[in-house]
Amino acid sequence: AAGVIQSPRHLIKEKRETATLKCYPIPRHDTVYWYQQGPGQDPQFLISFYEKMQSDKGSIPDRFSAQQFSDYHSELNMSSLELGDSALYFCASSLGGGGSYNEQFFGPGTRLTVL
Amino acid sequence: QKEVEQNSGPLSVPEGAIASLNCTYSDRGSQSFFWYRQYSGKSPELIMFIYSNGDKEDGRFTAQLNKASQYVSLLIRDSQPSDSATYLCAVHNQGGKLIFGQGTELSVKP
Repeated sequence: AAGVIQSPRHLIKEKRETATLKCYPIPRHDTVYWYQQGPGQDPQFLISFYEKMQSDKGSIPDRFSAQQFSDYHSELNMSSLELGDSALYFCASSLGGGGSYNEQFFGPGTRLTVL
Repeated sequence: QKEVEQNSGPLSVPEGAIASLNCTYSDRGSQSFFWYRQYSGKSPELIMFIYSNGDKEDGRFTAQLNKASQYVSLLIRDSQPSDSATYLCAVHNQGGKLIFGQGTELSVKP
């Protein structure tokens, strides 16, 4: 079965640079979530989109922005990168918005390293 | 206090034994609960979800939910070395996001 696709899988940037992470949800899934996982930490929710509208927002820095496009893929844009932004970034998708009974399936992640 | 609490472990069990993983949550209004398995450097993989009080079984895995005690558990029967991973308990928040516990590291010894 098709899974969530994320690109790139690895990204190395310098401080103050920008980065764009892409997420392609499972076909027919209309909801996308972004999570950040630092070393030894649990995943922390950043932001989510349902039917191309922002549906929830978590601890996402103002330097980050995201959107969901008409084909339901999503992009996370990160500017003025800091060393502390180095982490695994996961995208997850589900069907039917953020309802309580909607299972979220995670992509393989993008490992961002900021030097 | 974290919204979702797990023992970080490591929890070590011999091959073939039952591994018991526990999780408590603080939001009494939470309705759905998920267990994910995560191998080092990989993405969380959904193992089970549970919404109703009681037990839910799927193969070697059994999830247990007690909403009155705000307690969720995962039992792994006939544990295998390949089950060695970090197990993340997640609680669905009303806004749609998952709130994760810090994870329990499980080690199954041959």
